[in-house]
Amino acid sequence: EVQLLESGGGLVQPGGSLRLSCAGSGFTFSSYAMNWVRQAPGKGLEWVSAIDNIGSSIYYADSVKGRFTISRDNSKNTLHLQMTSLRAEDTAIYYCGRGGGVGATMVEYWGQGSQVTVSS
Amino acid sequence: SYVLTQPPSVAVAPGKTATITCGGNNIESKSVHWYQQKPGQAPVLVISFDADRPSGIPERFSGSNSGNTATLTISRVEAGDEADYYCQVWDSNSDHRVFGGGTKLTV
Repeated sequence: EVQLLESGGGLVQPGGSLRLSCAGSGFTFSSYAMNWVRQAPGKGLEWVSAIDNIGSSIYYADSVKGRFTISRDNSKNTLHLQMTSLRAEDTAIYYCGRGGGVGATMVEYWGQGSQVTVSS
Repeated sequence: SYVLTQPPSVAVAPGKTATITCGGNNIESKSVHWYQQKPGQAPVLVISFDADRPSGIPERFSGSNSGNTATLTISRVEAGDEADYYCQVWDSNSDHRVFGGGTKLTV
């Protein structure tokens, strides 16, 4: 069974930093692209970032480019999202998502999410 | 950047057919994926590559994609289908995944 477990969320002041992690199990982690998708309170889904299976290709939404960094450690089956210069509008539930395999651009499996709140 | 347009809400009676659209410029040239999200839960993939149903998704869920509109169809709608539905594509020009704004299905 594919499982994704996010951690690292919490309350942070504007301008602060936070690092999210996502532990994957039940599949060969190093074979799949991974994503971060967020959802602000009462709003829709917003794709944040993606990384290919070996970390050689990385993509960011314009809203986070230059502030967020995605990375992965295939030896530990773990995905990370380093968030800096956080703003109130970054407040959201952040979901970790597994891609669908080579060439597949959907999010096939989702974690339960980690709440990030940016407030003073 | 590529934009996907969904109706904010769709209402349907139990047992009837619900149709949720996703509009985009020449969307038929892209693969469209659909997600269901119930309140307080993570999204679930219900349709991939326009019309493929992942394992465990009822046959009542189907998809199509033509011209500038992709469509998610739910036949014999049940109360448990009440949820938000999102379409998603990959924009090859920007290498971005793009979500539609979501449609709230009321049964």
